[in-house]
Amino acid sequence: SSELTQDPAVSVALGQTVRITCQGDSLRSYYASWYQQRPGQAPVLVFYGEDNRPSGIPDRFSGSSSGDTASLTITGAQAEDEADYYCNSRDSSGNPVLFAGGTKLTVL
Amino acid sequence: EVQLVESGGGVVQTGGSLRLSCAASGFTFDDYAMHWVRQPPGKGLEWVSLINWDGSSKDYTDSVKGRFTISRDNTKNSLYLEMNSLRADDTAFYYCVKTIWGSTAFDFWGQGTMVTVSS
Repeated sequence: SSELTQDPAVSVALGQTVRITCQGDSLRSYYASWYQQRPGQAPVLVFYGEDNRPSGIPDRFSGSSSGDTASLTITGAQAEDEADYYCNSRDSSGNPVLFAGGTKLTVL
Repeated sequence: EVQLVESGGGVVQTGGSLRLSCAASGFTFDDYAMHWVRQPPGKGLEWVSLINWDGSSKDYTDSVKGRFTISRDNTKNSLYLEMNSLRADDTAFYYCVKTIWGSTAFDFWGQGTMVTVSS
């Protein structure tokens, strides 16, 4: 089956912009979805599809995709954005759903 | 308001069994496929299983095939995961998850129920 890969850790200065990436062959065919998980809490969907942000998610969260890489961009990172971020997508072989290993975002 | 409430987790010995339940409310349950996703403590998310809207189609990650069975009762708005032959590497928080129709975007998650498999 395919795999999705994320950088394990990323940091950003308060108020700056950060991009979290997710790479995998399945992303050439399917859009990624992005989840934020704060410690001790269930994941929350923050962006999905071509250009969809769930109700209640701040517009500083945006997504994009090019080739085999999907990106989640946080424009003007806030302290409360410090969390783990996961991407997932459909898989064209093997399991129908793939998750990447996650990125720990630190806001400095 | 969409709510997903899992129950049934606990401590079980290697080789034992557990049945997880998920009570759903706030949406038309039988319109949606449902999934189980798990997360070992301190580690990442892993998709476990899915069931389509009427239970006629199911799928599992390779590591649980033949040991776990997903099911649903649309009359009770409930999702289940029967887990047999449990192993130490099944230890995890298990989340009941709803998808956005026709996608793998998981828009609502339960609070999770912890399964600990010990020897």
